[in-house]
Amino acid sequence: EPEVTQTPSHQVTQMGQEVILRCVPISNHLYFYWYRQILGQKVEFLVSFYNNEISEKSEIFDDQFSVERPDGSNFTLKIRSTKLEDSAMYFCATRRDGAGETQYFGPGTRLLVL
Amino acid sequence: AQSVTQLGSHVSVSEGALVLLRCNYSSSVPPYLFWYVQYPNQGLQLLLKYTSAATLVKGINGFEAEFKKSETSFHLTKPSAHMSDAAEYFCAVSANTGGFKTIFGAGTRLFVKA
Repeated sequence: EPEVTQTPSHQVTQMGQEVILRCVPISNHLYFYWYRQILGQKVEFLVSFYNNEISEKSEIFDDQFSVERPDGSNFTLKIRSTKLEDSAMYFCATRRDGAGETQYFGPGTRLLVL
Repeated sequence: AQSVTQLGSHVSVSEGALVLLRCNYSSSVPPYLFWYVQYPNQGLQLLLKYTSAATLVKGINGFEAEFKKSETSFHLTKPSAHMSDAAEYFCAVSANTGGFKTIFGAGTRLFVKA
């Protein structure tokens, strides 16, 4: 069964550094999403992406965040200057099309900012 | 806009007892509803989903949920708890508006006593 994959599984970085989290969507999926989960809290929507542009973003997704699909396969989330509060698990999700289609979640990247 | 409320941040049951995890939703348009399970330090696994086909939805691992529009509820049940069911459970909603972004509840941690 096709799966969404994410790399790296874990990343430790220093405050102020840039990080790029990568996601490989399921091949025929057209809609892409990033979510984050701060330790012990609920999963929060960050951004949705379709047709090479952002469809919607939450208030969490400020100017420090950006997304792109640089090579038509990977879907990336960049945090330009990490803060301590960016420490979280980041989940990528992808969806095919059609009403009600399930989002398929990747295994997540655990980001720790020191 | 959509929202989800999970009643009870912690639920404890004995092995073999009924599991009932409560979820109420709010949506201005017909919703799609999901239950996910998350084991410690792991990703999100879809248990079941409601997409308007049938109000009683059966999922994996013996779980099921019933969509009740009049009560705006989507409670998760399992007739007999196993030790392996101990995990965090998230109810979630999405809809055609907002590009099907998924809004998660705060989660309910299920404890299963021997």
